[in-house]
Amino acid sequence: AQSVAQPEDQVNVAEGNPLTVKCTYSVSGNPYLFWYVQYPNRGLQFLLKYITGDNLVKGSYGFEAEFNKSQTSFHLKKPSALVSDSALYFCAVRDIEKLTFGTGTRLTIIP
Amino acid sequence: NAGVMQNPRHLVRRRGQEARLRCSPMKGHSHVYWYRQLPEEGLKFMVYLQKENIIDESGMPKERFSAEFPKEGPSILRIQQVVRGDSAAYFCASSQRLANTGELFFGEGSRLTVL
Repeated sequence: AQSVAQPEDQVNVAEGNPLTVKCTYSVSGNPYLFWYVQYPNRGLQFLLKYITGDNLVKGSYGFEAEFNKSQTSFHLKKPSALVSDSALYFCAVRDIEKLTFGTGTRLTIIP
Repeated sequence: NAGVMQNPRHLVRRRGQEARLRCSPMKGHSHVYWYRQLPEEGLKFMVYLQKENIIDESGMPKERFSAEFPKEGPSILRIQQVVRGDSAAYFCASSQRLANTGELFFGEGSRLTVL
């Protein structure tokens, strides 16, 4: 089965600093990878996806992610964090006809 | 264009009662997924349905849980004889065929509390 791992439960970043939320994957075949964000008491919102092509994927709200095949990673990044980026972030992988999610990373941006 | 609609948003049940959660997918979507989110845990896949068919129920508990997506009307996740451990947020998502679009659209969730 396909899986993803998010090694950090919590990430704290000062406002204006660059942020990284880590994700590694384990798949057979070519990976289809996703990032979603969840704000308090809300559903998940799609941020970006990697299917094929450029290793650097750009998404919503200024986020981007870098696909690294040799390190089996798909880390989420943003050059300058905003307080409004504070939320729960999920990495996911397509597993046949469903998405399998990581355990989530709570990102807190400190003013 | 309405998104994925879930109701109720909040549901309180006593142990032993039944809980019914409803999900109307986005217009044009015929694939529905149910996920469960326990406090401080990630999203766990439960079941994947198309109209009138259960495609993958590998994440569903063997007892007390069932799901349907009838030809007409919303998808229903039904939990019989609820226990405290069923307290969680249940999210529905819909898509066109996932293999083609690669993206799920989520509802706001139904939060079940079992007293």
